[in-house]
Amino acid sequence: DAKTTQPPSMDCAEGRAANLPCNHSTISGNEYVYWYRQIHSQGPQYIIHGLKNNETNEMASLIITEDRKSSTLILPHATLRDTAVYYCIVGDGAGNMLTFGGGTRLMVKP
Amino acid sequence: SQTIHQWPATLVQPVGSPLSLECTVEGTSNPNLYWYRQAAGRGLQLLFYSIGIDQISSEVPQNLSASRPQDRQFILSSKKLLLSDSGFYLCAWSVRRVDEQFFGPGTRLTVL
Repeated sequence: DAKTTQPPSMDCAEGRAANLPCNHSTISGNEYVYWYRQIHSQGPQYIIHGLKNNETNEMASLIITEDRKSSTLILPHATLRDTAVYYCIVGDGAGNMLTFGGGTRLMVKP
Repeated sequence: SQTIHQWPATLVQPVGSPLSLECTVEGTSNPNLYWYRQAAGRGLQLLFYSIGIDQISSEVPQNLSASRPQDRQFILSSKKLLLSDSGFYLCAWSVRRVDEQFFGPGTRLTVL
């Protein structure tokens, strides 16, 4: 019973921006949006998280809509090493991260 | 720097046998600790989390239990494994509850 909905797969050309959408229409006021990615057979890697405002770090940008019901993770210049499953998760900050859901399998192509 | 260890890396166990997976964290004190399971082709599911020694919360009813005998040690156990317990088990830690979680290398468990 994941709280988020993501497309199962996406392709992106190397060097182009990858925009990964996520719907979280039932998000509550105290819940954060987190993004992780998992490269095959490895543990998940944290990317970014946010509450209301857009966020940017060295890996990606997170755009959260004003009503907070959806968000987009942006990888500005995708590389082949960005090929992974990307998970969008909502959590209340109490450590209660529930099921990650299926995620989006991003394939970066040369 | 902080590191997180899990062992064993892979494990094959018969149905009905016991299980003990261990996770330890170095380089930090009083971390929040988490156990996740990833079944084949599925997303991660939070099994347990702990905010301190002997303070364990379970997210889903299951055949597994967790213990935290020391500040930086988190153990996942079962008395009798089921076929459905097969999966990729990940331990994670965080400094604060809202912070990013850092994941260990995982244990791939196959129950036959």
